[in-house]
Amino acid sequence: DGGITQSPKYLFRKEGQNVTLSCEQNLNHDAMYWYRQDPGQGLRLIYYSQIVNDFQKGDIAEGYSVSREKKESFPLTVTSAQKNPTAFYLCASWDGYEQYFGPGTRLTVT
Amino acid sequence: ILNVEQSPQSLHVQEGDSTNFTCSFPSSNFYALHWYRWETAKSPEALFVMTLNGDEKKKGRISATLNTKEGYSYLYIKGSQPEDSATYLCAFSSSNTGKLIFGQGTTLQVKP
Repeated sequence: DGGITQSPKYLFRKEGQNVTLSCEQNLNHDAMYWYRQDPGQGLRLIYYSQIVNDFQKGDIAEGYSVSREKKESFPLTVTSAQKNPTAFYLCASWDGYEQYFGPGTRLTVT
Repeated sequence: ILNVEQSPQSLHVQEGDSTNFTCSFPSSNFYALHWYRWETAKSPEALFVMTLNGDEKKKGRISATLNTKEGYSYLYIKGSQPEDSATYLCAFSSSNTGKLIFGQGTTLQVKP
């Protein structure tokens, strides 16, 4: 089954801790993306990567970091510098025509 | 900052009603307009990718039109069914990088 997996589905962390969200794809797509969704808002781009070992900041990159060491994997770290980390996070990949999304991770920081 | 607006924010209709939503986007530097359907507890799925002014696309009871000169797209659902209940997202792109700017979505509830 080809697709994008994100784990875990729900994640709880204490304020001040860094946390890494997993995103894996077996679609052989070069480009991958991380979005954040907050209530009443559209998906906002955090980071994207068009090829292995390269990535660019999106519109709301502050407080986040990424790596792209393998084509299949694009993990997102939410650092303690992110002021409002509680949100729903979606990962996606791009086949040159449309984006394919994972199921998302809901992060709650208290 | 490029802005994509969708209206209405939410919609409640009866089964069998036809409905439509609007997506407004920048009319300059247009590359493509995407529509996605996002059902509860599932991942967003692509409905249409539209690139040409005047484009019309159809998938079953759902169709979409595109006007790039004035910067809007309409999504129509004919004879809504309960399984059409979802959030419908539109997204604008100004290049072929796959970098999309999303609207806030229109949430449709279809009552049996």
